[in-house]
Amino acid sequence: QSVLTQPPSVSAAPGQKVTISCSGSSSNIGKTFVSWYKQLPGTAPELLIYDNYERPSGIPDRFSGSKSGTSATLAITGLQTGDEADYYCGAWDSSLSVVLFGGGTKLTVV
Amino acid sequence: QVQLVESGGGVVQPGGSLRLSCAASGFTFINSGMNWVRQAPGMGLEWVAFIRPDGNNDKYYADSVKGRFAISRDNSKNTVFLQMNSLSAEDTALYYCAKGVSNWGNFDYWGQGTLVTVSS
Repeated sequence: QSVLTQPPSVSAAPGQKVTISCSGSSSNIGKTFVSWYKQLPGTAPELLIYDNYERPSGIPDRFSGSKSGTSATLAITGLQTGDEADYYCGAWDSSLSVVLFGGGTKLTVV
Repeated sequence: QVQLVESGGGVVQPGGSLRLSCAASGFTFINSGMNWVRQAPGMGLEWVAFIRPDGNNDKYYADSVKGRFAISRDNSKNTVFLQMNSLSAEDTALYYCAKGVSNWGNFDYWGQGTLVTVSS
């Protein structure tokens, strides 16, 4: 089953901004809604963004989501060492009737 | 607060079966779509199955498990299940229960997972 495409890794310095891309198709990102998750080693994923740009309560506004066409982007500003984690995008595919996840992006704060 | 507690994982031989359970609390279970998501060791997330809230009960599956796995729910016990048959080594993973929110494909709460190991 196809997956959404994310870069394997990104890095940036503390205090800087980083963006993580997620590329899909017209039947998933282009038509439905994107969510983003943060996963620290040995822990369950945590929802950061849902419905493309909505933040759950408790998620700081340093995290933001956007979508354009068949691609979505997660932006993190004011990077902190605690942001080092794996990040995943996800979306419902309306043609396949399945949920797709990206392969994950490892964020390093150096 | 919302809690999702998975159970039922373990070691099973190839071709065997397991039934996972996820006990939910802290939210209106009958109104929530529920999912199973798995993560093989050192790998990324893979969605497995989704069951819609009560009143519809539609079920959806990843191609990799269709015909072998079955998701179900007992709203009287606030529990969702995953019956897994014809297991193979490729099914070895940590299985998470995840609650849906808003539009399909958003998961706002996750359990801590239950480990399934398929090995002879």
